[in-house]
Amino acid sequence: GAVVSQHPSWVICKSGTSVKIECRSLDFQATTMFWYRQFPKQSLMLMATSNEGSKATYEQGVEKDKFLINHASLTLSTLTVTSAHPEDSSFYICSARSSGGRFRNEQFFGPGTRLTVL
Amino acid sequence: AQSVTQLDSHVSVSEGTPVLLRCNYSSSYSPSLFWYVQHPNKGLQLLLKYTSAATLVKGINGFEAEFKKSETSFHLTKPSAHMSDAAEYFCVVKLNYGGSQGNLIFGKGTKLSVKP
Repeated sequence: GAVVSQHPSWVICKSGTSVKIECRSLDFQATTMFWYRQFPKQSLMLMATSNEGSKATYEQGVEKDKFLINHASLTLSTLTVTSAHPEDSSFYICSARSSGGRFRNEQFFGPGTRLTVL
Repeated sequence: AQSVTQLDSHVSVSEGTPVLLRCNYSSSYSPSLFWYVQHPNKGLQLLLKYTSAATLVKGINGFEAEFKKSETSFHLTKPSAHMSDAAEYFCVVKLNYGGSQGNLIFGKGTKLSVKP
């Protein structure tokens, strides 16, 4: 299958700072990317859907001003957690849907980023 | 509304014995269903998917799942568990209609433990 990378894989930050997480589709183009959040021992919850070149669509209850999403190219989406607080500590997973080719419309997941806010 | 329910939060088996992870779905339309596996600190990997073709779907690593419309089930099975199968497994339904068409809805997950 196709590969999605995330960077960093683990980040620890102080409360009040901002953290940017990158998600890249390495060998395919993705018009649509998704950001999920996973709390310990729980399932993935969709936070937002981003389409290249347009504003992200946030799920109910997700603060768009706190979780800034940018999808500036067909291979890169970023999630910025602004003014992070301990309750934002979680595992963030991105996913990319292939725009065409062999894996058209299939969705591939990144390895996740563990955020710990002190 | 479309949803999936994973009936067991934790399943424990001995190495070499069969694996059964249960999943029931709810959908007014013909669903697209998936099983994903997540090993610790690793990304989700697609095991198999059902998209209205053959009801018995074979996946990677010896796993398979059978779509049973009458029972609204999509249980995951494997004849013989291996230690490396220990992981978290998610049953997933893809929304096929509405404003969120294409989005994936995840079950709560089943943790599979394999004893030597």
